[in-house]
Parts: sequence; C-alpha cells; structure tokens
Amino acid sequence: SYELTQPPSVSVSPGQTASITCSGDKLGDKYACWYQQRPGQSPVLVIYQNNKRPSGIPDRFSGSNSGNTATLTISGTQAIDEADYYCQAWDRSTEGFGGGTKLTVL
Amino acid sequence: QVTLRESGPALVKPTQTLTLTCTFSGFSLSTSGMCVSWIRQPPGKALEWLARIDWDGYKYYSPSLKTRLTISKDTSKNQVVLTMTNMDPVDTATYYCARTIDDSSAYTDYWGQGTLVTVSS
Repeated sequence: SYELTQPPSVSVSPGQTASITCSGDKLGDKYACWYQQRPGQSPVLVIYQNNKRPSGIPDRFSGSNSGNTATLTISGTQAIDEADYYCQAWDRSTEGFGGGTKLTVL
Repeated sequence: QVTLRESGPALVKPTQTLTLTCTFSGFSLSTSGMCVSWIRQPPGKALEWLARIDWDGYKYYSPSLKTRLTISKDTSKNQVVLTMTNMDPVDTATYYCARTIDDSSAYTDYWGQGTLVTVSS
C-alpha cells in the first residue's frame, strides 16, 4: 500500500493555527484527503481532493498539496478540534493512510 | 441520508475465517462512482485500508492482505461482504465499512460505527 508519513503529535494554543503534514512519494501528483477522529468515534472526512471541504465542515479547515507533502491547516483552532487526524491518498489501485497525528489544543 | 452498519462476530478463534457484512442505505452500489470500502483500526493504532468494491464490480485489496481477503457485493440487498481467512490475534481491531466516492479521485465520506472483532482462543 501507499506509504504516508505524519508527525505523531502536534500541539497548538487555542485561537492559533495548527498545521499537520503528510509526506509521500510524489504525493502532490495525487489527491489527498484528511479525516478527523475523536476518541471512541468513527472518522469524519474534513478535506477531500486536496482542499475541498464537505458540507458541514467549518471553513477554518483547509488543505494544500504540493511536491511530496500535503498539509492540513486549522485556523483559529478550538478545543473541539482536539482529535487524531489521518491523511489518505490512492496510488496504483491501493489506498494508504498516514499513521495519524494527535492534535492537542492547550 | 446515507448510513452504513457493520455486522459479524465479536469473537473469532485463531485460524478461523471472519465474515463481516456491511448493510447500507441512502445510495446504490449500482450508481456510477459509488464504492464501499473496508478499513480497520487495532486498539490505539492507526487506520488501515483493507479493500474496496466499486459500482462496476472492480475490486481492490491491500497488497499485504490480498491473499486473505475477499470482498463481494449484493446490490439488490444493499450489502457488501468481506471475508478474511486465517485470523490471528494481530487482526484484533475495529472494522469499519464506509462509502467511497470515485469521481477522478477517491474519498470516503460516510463511515459506519465500526464493529470490534477480537481474535482469541
């Protein structure tokens, strides 16, 4: 499967901007998605096709993808954004997930 | 309203075959671009993609698990079935089925609640 690498953890103060990266070989040539998973819950799609937000996702969530790195940016981070975040992309008919990043808002 | 629900045994013994059923509503797996995926998550660990079946019957499998997995669909019943052979304790995980959209890119927009499968003798 396609290998994607994320930092294990990111910390941010409330109201500040959090950036979570996802690295993969020629990832910028593919579409990246991002999922939020709160403890005990199923994942929720927050970004698809690199930078699109599904209905109901706040506009403080944004995404970009270039080169070998996709980035999820959360502007004006709130306490409710504390969760695990996973990137995902397709490559050669297989799907890969990143190892996940725990976002701590403190 | 799109919903998906996983069903199957909560406990299986090592070497047994696991069969999970995903029953969904709110979309048709005969519609172009519609797919159903299976993803699992061991306790405290990351998501791992397992398999996907598309509206046109195409099937995709995780390379590392391909020899153990079979995915199939019954469009009339709105069900997708995943079988995994030769279960091992390391396969203990929450198994999710989810709707995947494939319209030039693939993204998974609805997930089931997941079902915890424990492999133990």
